[in-house]
Amino acid sequence: QVQLVQSGTEVKKPGASVRVSCKASGFTFSSHYFHWVRQAPGQGLEWMGIIYPSGDETRCAQKFEGRVTMTRDTSTSTVYMEVNSLTSEDTAVYHCARDSGYHGPDYWGQGTLVTVSS
Amino acid sequence: QSALTQPASVSGSPGQSITISCTGTSSDVGGCDHVSWYQQHPGKVPKVLIYDVTRRPSGVSNRFSGSKSGNTASLTISGLQAEDEAVYYCISYTTTYTYVFGTGTEVTVL
Repeated sequence: QVQLVQSGTEVKKPGASVRVSCKASGFTFSSHYFHWVRQAPGQGLEWMGIIYPSGDETRCAQKFEGRVTMTRDTSTSTVYMEVNSLTSEDTAVYHCARDSGYHGPDYWGQGTLVTVSS
Repeated sequence: QSALTQPASVSGSPGQSITISCTGTSSDVGGCDHVSWYQQHPGKVPKVLIYDVTRRPSGVSNRFSGSKSGNTASLTISGLQAEDEAVYYCISYTTTYTYVFGTGTEVTVL
């Protein structure tokens, strides 16, 4: 069955960086896109970016450009997202989600809580 | 890219039908046929209900249906049930090859 298993809870100080991983199984990793979506406490869903199957191409929401890096490792079927220059406003649950091709996210990871606090 | 506009809340009685709107622009909802809808219960991961405006994944109840007119997409829930109480989000592909979520709608079953 399709599974996306994300890395565990992170606590970071303002100005630091965080990298979240998402390990995929149960489907052909190399042919899928992966979205990153976050949800701040009590808030709605916010689309952050997408990495294409090739791994060479990514797209980010304008507010995250220059601060978010997405990568993928086909050898381990894992996608990664790194967020730099963290502030308290980045405190949220971060999700990876699979997309078979411009249809939007279908399967989602369980989420990774990132807390930014001094 | 601004979030797509959804009503903050919609309510209905069991058995009734309700419709949730998702309004964007010609750069997103109106410019493509890649609009999806999600249901999120408290503390849970979002679940896809509709993709590509009208398509329903296998296993999703046929009480959920999607449509689009111009810059507004809609999700209709027919035969409302208590388990439908949740927050619903739309998402659209955009002409700049990004995606944007809606603001979210809380559905209450009276």
